Amino acid sequence: TQLLEQSPQFLSIQEGENLTVYCNSSSVFSSLQWYRQEPGEGPVLLVTVVTGGEVKKLKRLTFQFGDARKDSSLHITAAQPGDTGLYLCAAENSGGSNYKLTFGKGTLLTVNP
Amino acid sequence: GAGVSQSPSNKVTEKGKDVELRCDPISGHTALYWYRQRLGQGLEFLIYFQGNSAPDKSGLPSDRFSAERTGESVSTLTIQRTQQEDSAVYLCASSFSPWGYYNEQFFGPGTRLTVL
Repeated sequence: TQLLEQSPQFLSIQEGENLTVYCNSSSVFSSLQWYRQEPGEGPVLLVTVVTGGEVKKLKRLTFQFGDARKDSSLHITAAQPGDTGLYLCAAENSGGSNYKLTFGKGTLLTVNP
Repeated sequence: GAGVSQSPSNKVTEKGKDVELRCDPISGHTALYWYRQRLGQGLEFLIYFQGNSAPDKSGLPSDRFSAERTGESVSTLTIQRTQQEDSAVYLCASSFSPWGYYNEQFFGPGTRLTVL
């Protein structure tokens, strides 16, 4: 089972600031997903990255997959209060049972107006 | 269209009682997952259903936990003789296809279980 470590665990910033959160493992991922979870709701998929070195952009969010496919980052530019939530990374287990996602503990982001 | 729905949204029970949690997946989604999310923790895989295949129960923490799914529709997660450590949010997710790189899972809002 892959262990995913996310950092920081908590992040509180002011509206307009930039931030980066990280997802790291000692294992190689076949693919990695980022989800955002708002209070009282289930996680919602933001992006899936597959190729080492891949960069994907979703409006003000930039996702990067490490060259060795062991780590990923999420960068938010000019954060807004609506970005507040728990950001989770998830990776598919290697070794056959690729339907099973392993989740990190998440980064709880608060963007203050 | 309708998303994944779960009921009840909140459940408070006494230690030792049995509880049943329900999940209605998105129509047409063959794969269904149950997860547990404890406060401050990530999602913990519990069980996976895919069509008529035998479910993967490897994540169930004890024999007090069981789950069923009727065909490719409703699923119920049952916890018998609840303990205080069972308190958590139980999330259900479904996906059209679990295979390949794009295993996009659609989550329900969860059931918050509190065992007193």
